[in-house]
Amino acid sequence: QKEVEQNSGPLSVPEGAIASLNCTYSDRGSQSFFWYRQYSGKSPELIMFIYSNGDKEDGRFTAQLNKASQYVSLLIRDSQPSDSATYLCAVGRDAGNNRKLIWGLGTSLAVNP
Amino acid sequence: GAVVSQHPSWVICKSGTSVKIECRSLDFQATTMFWYRQFPKQSLMLMATSNEGSKATYEQGVEKDKFLINHASLTLSTLTVTSAHPEDSSFYICSARDRRTGEGRPYNEQFFGPGTRLTVL
Repeated sequence: QKEVEQNSGPLSVPEGAIASLNCTYSDRGSQSFFWYRQYSGKSPELIMFIYSNGDKEDGRFTAQLNKASQYVSLLIRDSQPSDSATYLCAVGRDAGNNRKLIWGLGTSLAVNP
Repeated sequence: GAVVSQHPSWVICKSGTSVKIECRSLDFQATTMFWYRQFPKQSLMLMATSNEGSKATYEQGVEKDKFLINHASLTLSTLTVTSAHPEDSSFYICSARDRRTGEGRPYNEQFFGPGTRLTVL
């Protein structure tokens, strides 16, 4: 079992729809959870981070965390063609000896005009 | 704020030569920097974690004698690919962790440089 799993996609949604991206993780000691976006040929950029169970909203983006189910998701409302990219889920511990991010392989999102 | 630069942005070299890539945090001090490699259409692969003033920690399978990392200051880390070969051609990306983390930001937040595309002929 991979430590952080994402559906590779591609996930295809029409413009204006809600895109839902999912991520599961295996380390129950994980404390911080990140969503990064990566355009082709570019480096990743942070979209959101979340610490606590529940929802966290920032503009068109909502991150959802459920630690009991070891599941984190990203919803993108009113999807735009410019949202077409690979979305990377990353999970980390904030204390102890292993304080590095564990990365998923990414989900490719295509928003069709 | 939290800007990371990399130099060069791309490099082409002959097989057998060494290439140095610089990673700088421009407006913050980075206690830790990370080096990643990404092949086309594949995910990020962490190569090593670099802490200022100490030896880098390499991930399993990464040759430390081939990929030399130096983190001499809180704003600069370098990756040297020694005796590069065509199979080393890849997109190399660094990231940095702000030493002030804890002031409302998650400890593990990483700020990425723009990447360096290495092509070895």
